[in-house]
Amino acid sequence: EDQVTQSPEALRLQEGESSSLNCSYTVSGLRGLFWYRQDPGKGPEFLFTLYSAGEEKEKERLKATLTKKESFLHITAPKPEDSATYLCAVQAGSSASKIIFGSGTRLSIRP
Amino acid sequence: DTGVSQDPRHKITKRGQNVTFRCDPISEHNRLYWYRQTLGQGPEFLTYFQNEAQLEKSRLLSDRFSAERPKGSFSTLEIQRTEQGDSAMYLCASSQQVLNTEAFFGQGTRLTVV
Repeated sequence: EDQVTQSPEALRLQEGESSSLNCSYTVSGLRGLFWYRQDPGKGPEFLFTLYSAGEEKEKERLKATLTKKESFLHITAPKPEDSATYLCAVQAGSSASKIIFGSGTRLSIRP
Repeated sequence: DTGVSQDPRHKITKRGQNVTFRCDPISEHNRLYWYRQTLGQGPEFLTYFQNEAQLEKSRLLSDRFSAERPKGSFSTLEIQRTEQGDSAMYLCASSQQVLNTEAFFGQGTRLTVV
């Protein structure tokens, strides 16, 4: 069965302290891996799509990378406004229609 | 507004009542998804439409839940005989009819069953 696991569940950082969030996946035939940001009480906001191992995408302080088994979301010099839950999701060959989500990492950045 | 729109944003209902939610996708998107999300969890897949056809339903979806997408435009999700365990955020998303493309989400409908 397709599965997505994110770690850590929660992460507290000081402003400016860089770190990485992990998303490991077990799927049959990855078609795409997606990163979303979700603020409390709101719907997920799309950040990145990665399609193949070795691919990287960047947006402001965020950089997403992909290997054959996992993806990382690197956060460089974060600011308090980066505090949110970051969700990883995959679209797999076994069911090309649905997108499967992990449980997310709650990121908190202290000023 | 060109984003995904959901209505209502919040719904409080008594146990046993029926509720219906509406989702208006991005206009050029053929695919439409419904998800359910509880506190501290990621969105859980419920069902998926391509145009007006409902192509997949989660095995976890009770037969009290039904979704429609007449004419391939907006969609409705109905929950009959609501239970307290149905309390959650119900999210709608849409995407283009291209494989491997990302989905864009609405702001969700928060359902509270009392």
